[in-house]
Amino acid sequence: AQTVTQSQPEMSVQEAETVTLSCTYDTSESDYYLFWYKQPPSRQMILVIRQEAYKQQNATENRFSVNFQKAAKSFSLKISDSQLGDAAMYFCAYRSHGGGSEKLVFGKGTKLTVNP
Amino acid sequence: DAGVIQSPRHEVTEMGQEVTLRCKPISGHDYLFWYRQTMMRGLELLIYFNNNVPIDDSGMPEDRFSAKMPNASFSTLKIQPSEPRDSAVYFCASSSLNQPQHFGDGTRLSIL
Repeated sequence: AQTVTQSQPEMSVQEAETVTLSCTYDTSESDYYLFWYKQPPSRQMILVIRQEAYKQQNATENRFSVNFQKAAKSFSLKISDSQLGDAAMYFCAYRSHGGGSEKLVFGKGTKLTVNP
Repeated sequence: DAGVIQSPRHEVTEMGQEVTLRCKPISGHDYLFWYRQTMMRGLELLIYFNNNVPIDDSGMPEDRFSAKMPNASFSTLKIQPSEPRDSAVYFCASSSLNQPQHFGDGTRLSIL
C-alpha cells in the first residue's frame, strides 16, 4: 500500500518570504499523480497544484511550485512571496494512475503560519 | 459552476441516534468519494463510487456505517447507531477519471 509522509507538523514563514514544505511517499508503482491541497480555517479542501509522475518538468501555479524527485520519492512544495492568506494546513496526496484506483492517500499535513 | 454540495454543515446528536450525511457531486463527475478527517488519523477514504457503484469500501470502519448512491447526483453516508468516536469532519468529493478531486465544505459531526 502507498504511504505519504509529511515530516513537518508545523512551519512558519515571514510575509513575502519563501517557504518549502516537505513530502515523501512510498510506492512500487511507476505511474501516479501527486497533489498538494490547502485547508484554511474555513475547512475547505482546495487543490493547490498537481504533478504527473511521467512528467519530468516540475509543476508551477503562480507563486506555488514543486520540486519533484521521482527517484528519491520526494515532492516538496515551495511557496514564494508568502501572503497572509497562505496560512493553512497543507496536505500532500498520492493517487495511482491506471489500475482502476482513483483513491487519494493523504499525508498528515503541515500547518503553515505566515507572520506579518 | 456549483461545486460539491454537502449537508448539513454541522450536526450535533446524541449517541445511539441515526445520522445521515448528504452529498451532491459536481454534474458530469462519475466518481464520488467519502472521506473522514480526525486529528488522530488525518484524512481517510471511507468509500468511493464509480457510476453509482461502490468500488472500494475497505475504509468503512464497521457495519454501523453505510453509504449509498441511488443516482448520479446524490449520495448519503449513514451511521446507525452513532458513537462519540464517530465525531469528525466528513468530506464528500467528486471527480472525473484521472482528474483532480473537488471537495465539498464538509460536515462537522459531533456525537455527544
